[in-house]
Amino acid sequence: NAGVTQTPKFRVLKTGQSMTLLCAQDMNHEYMYWYRQDPGMGLRLIHYSVGEGTTAKGEVPDGYNVSRLKKQNFLLGLESAAPSQTSVYFCASSYGDRDSYEQYFGPGTRLTVT
Amino acid sequence: RKEVEQDPGPFNVPEGATVAFNCTYSNSASQSFFWYRQDCRKEPKLLMSVYSSGNEDGRFTAQLNRASQYISLLIRDSKLSDSATYLCVVNIMDQAGTALIFGKGTTLSVSS
Repeated sequence: NAGVTQTPKFRVLKTGQSMTLLCAQDMNHEYMYWYRQDPGMGLRLIHYSVGEGTTAKGEVPDGYNVSRLKKQNFLLGLESAAPSQTSVYFCASSYGDRDSYEQYFGPGTRLTVT
Repeated sequence: RKEVEQDPGPFNVPEGATVAFNCTYSNSASQSFFWYRQDCRKEPKLLMSVYSSGNEDGRFTAQLNRASQYISLLIRDSKLSDSATYLCVVNIMDQAGTALIFGKGTTLSVSS
């Protein structure tokens, strides 16, 4: 089992560029999440999905879009990158209810927007 | 946002020391509590869940005090490999249902 994988690991964007971060899990988990982690801010939930074809907003969704076309994949899109989106992005998945099951995290994507 | 608060540290302790971290949460209806560990530039990983009766896993003991709304993590006989950031995680109700809220973490540095 690879667990949760993320692509790419690092990326540098210019303001206004777009990109998609890919998250894949091979544990057959229903729930998937995208977080961002900034110094002094902790992990903050961007969007999440409770199953294939579903998505919902988290705490900081503005400037991001997501899609869950396949159960094992969860994509995070930045349509027009801004310097404020410089962060480390973590994807996670869990078997069941968001609040009572262990979340398994991917290794993260370090994004810099100049 | 102050739903989950932790002392950021850093806690600098020698090998073999006992160290305790506290975490307070604001939502009295919270039901699920966890400690995650995050190594430098790595992803968070579950260390242990926190149960009402308290629970122990080797050198690690977690306690929950619902009346005072705080959680603690005790590490005995610290090892160099315990050096990491420890994240307190609590479930909280929001308009969409429930969500896990991560504290900002407490950094531990164990030295020889």
